[in-house]
Amino acid sequence: DAGVIQSPRHEVTEMGQEVTLRCKPISGHDYLFWYRQTMMRGLELLIYFNNNVPIDDSGMPEDRFSAKMPNASFSTLKIQPSEPRDSAVYFCASRRGTTNTEAFFGQGTRLTVV
Amino acid sequence: AQSVTQLDSQVPVFEEAPVELRCNYSSSVSVYLFWYVQYPNQGLQLLLKYLSGSTLVKGINGFEAEFNKSQTSFHLRKPSVHISDTAEYFCAVRNSGYALNFGKGTSLLVTP
Repeated sequence: DAGVIQSPRHEVTEMGQEVTLRCKPISGHDYLFWYRQTMMRGLELLIYFNNNVPIDDSGMPEDRFSAKMPNASFSTLKIQPSEPRDSAVYFCASRRGTTNTEAFFGQGTRLTVV
Repeated sequence: AQSVTQLDSQVPVFEEAPVELRCNYSSSVSVYLFWYVQYPNQGLQLLLKYLSGSTLVKGINGFEAEFNKSQTSFHLRKPSVHISDTAEYFCAVRNSGYALNFGKGTSLLVTP
């Protein structure tokens, strides 16, 4: 398996623009997680899905952030409008829903909002 | 929600020296604990995990960790580090909802 695939790897956008981050989880994994990493706050869970259904979105910082999982092989994280403080590395991770399995992480998307 | 605290933000060490990266977790009935490593500009890779059973857990790249319930700790150790071990190390605990709560990370810098 190719692992968790995120795109793009890098994104530079202007403040106020819409940004869409994409994730393809590992086939057969039924949990998908979106994390954000910053120097100040470390790794924060934004939202996670189980069987394509959002389970916990309490980490989503504002209404400007939204996430969808239309099918088992694709998820998006959208920021509209983007702000400079959204600059961070965004990670997607997936796992199978049994107790003894770990989460596998993608390479991340480095977002810079100028 | 359960949480972890990584006590050291940076740990400098010489090559071939032993190292210990400290992690304490908030007490709970049962815990699932993990150590991940992040190399520059990379995603997170699992080093090892504790779910149950033996308190000494061996992972990849010669790392091991010991689960200590009385001290609520899960410290990561390696007897002899290499330059290539330079990276960011994260301790994490899984919540009942299957998401991971990460510590702030410890930057390990190995120098010749």
